Amino acid sequence: EVQLVESGGGLIQPGGSLRLSCAASGFTVSSNYMNWVRQAPGRGLEWVSVIYSGGGTYYADSVRGRFTISRDNSKNTLYLQMTSLRAEDTALYYCARGLYGSGSHYFDYWGQGTLVTVSS
Amino acid sequence: SSELTQDPAVSVALGQTVRITCQGDSLRNYYASWYQQKPGQAPVLVIYGKNNRPSGIPDRFSGSSSGNTASFTITGAQAEDEADYYCNSRDSSTNHLLFGGGTKLTVL
Repeated sequence: EVQLVESGGGLIQPGGSLRLSCAASGFTVSSNYMNWVRQAPGRGLEWVSVIYSGGGTYYADSVRGRFTISRDNSKNTLYLQMTSLRAEDTALYYCARGLYGSGSHYFDYWGQGTLVTVSS
Repeated sequence: SSELTQDPAVSVALGQTVRITCQGDSLRNYYASWYQQKPGQAPVLVIYGKNNRPSGIPDRFSGSSSGNTASFTITGAQAEDEADYYCNSRDSSTNHLLFGGGTKLTVL
């Protein structure tokens, strides 16, 4: 059974740093493309970052230069290192497995999310 | 444009058919995928590809596409279909994934 479990969220002051983790089971993280997606309170979904099986990474303009996505193949875990956090980064952060097939990109499995609150 | 545009809210009478649309240039290159999100829950994939439903998704849900517009249709809406619906695609010029702003569906 595929499962994604996020952790590492919490209350952090503006300018601070936080590392989110997403422990995967039932599949191999390094063989798939893995994403972070966030949702601010009462708002829609916002894609944050992706790491492809080959190691390539991409970031939304709103986080580029501040966030770093990575994975630990030995732990089958995805990470998101967040620095220089701002109030607008406050959101529920989901990790999601990405697939490409049938002519579309899609996220077939999602975790339950970890909440990041940036506030003084 | 690297955006996906959805109507913020749509309503449908119980048992009737409703269509939710998503517009964006990226949809000329890829089919959209669609997600259902109920309050307090993670999004759930409901449609991907030309018109593919993951296992367990009701067959009253369907998808279609034309040009830069993708559509998600519920034929015979049920009370449990009341939720937020998001479209998703990929911008091939930036390799960024994109979400539409979401459509809140109310079943009357």
